[in-house]
Amino acid sequence: NAGVTQTPKFRVLKTGQSMTLLCAQDMNHEYMYWYRQDPGMGLRLIHYSVGEGTTAKGEVPDGYNVSRLKKQNFLLGLESAAPSQTSVYFCASSSSQRSSYNSPLHFGNGTRLTVT
Amino acid sequence: RKEVEQDPGPFNVPEGATVAFNCTYSNSASQSFFWYRQDCRKEPKLLMSVYSSGNEDGRFTAQLNRASQYISLLIRDSKLSDSATYLCVVSRALRDDKIIFGKGTRLHILP
Repeated sequence: NAGVTQTPKFRVLKTGQSMTLLCAQDMNHEYMYWYRQDPGMGLRLIHYSVGEGTTAKGEVPDGYNVSRLKKQNFLLGLESAAPSQTSVYFCASSSSQRSSYNSPLHFGNGTRLTVT
Repeated sequence: RKEVEQDPGPFNVPEGATVAFNCTYSNSASQSFFWYRQDCRKEPKLLMSVYSSGNEDGRFTAQLNRASQYISLLIRDSKLSDSATYLCVVSRALRDDKIIFGKGTRLHILP
């Protein structure tokens, strides 16, 4: 039972490079989220999706783009990486009853990104 | 005022002791409440939901006080394996995207 899988687990980028983080879930969840976690800042929502083909901005969307072409996948792109994007990125998913007690968030293992 | 506030700790507690954390939230429209646990360099995992009537799961008890807008987590007979960061999570109405995480309370259980 894989749950939520993130790839890659680690990555080092140079300023200006681009990359895509992949999140895949096998629980048939409607909702998917990308968070970043920085020391002393807690988890902050970057973008989220309420279903296949839809995306929306979260709290800190600047510098990131996302796509949800398939229900099970949610991609996070960095077009031109900056040192401020050094962080741990977590993907999460939940079922259709978003924010309800029946629908807790399930997180992936995280991606540790360093931008030099 | 931050939407969800927690004491960052760390709480250093001897094994076997009882420890309690509080979390306050500012939006009275909040409807669902959770405690998540996060181990060092790992992903957050749901510990327990917090219901209006309070609920218990083994050594863990969660309570909600809507009037004062806070939730609490009580851990009895603490174990070394309870050492972690505990995240308070608050969400609003069912159709709202607002799931707010507190910054977490660090707990160290001392042998």
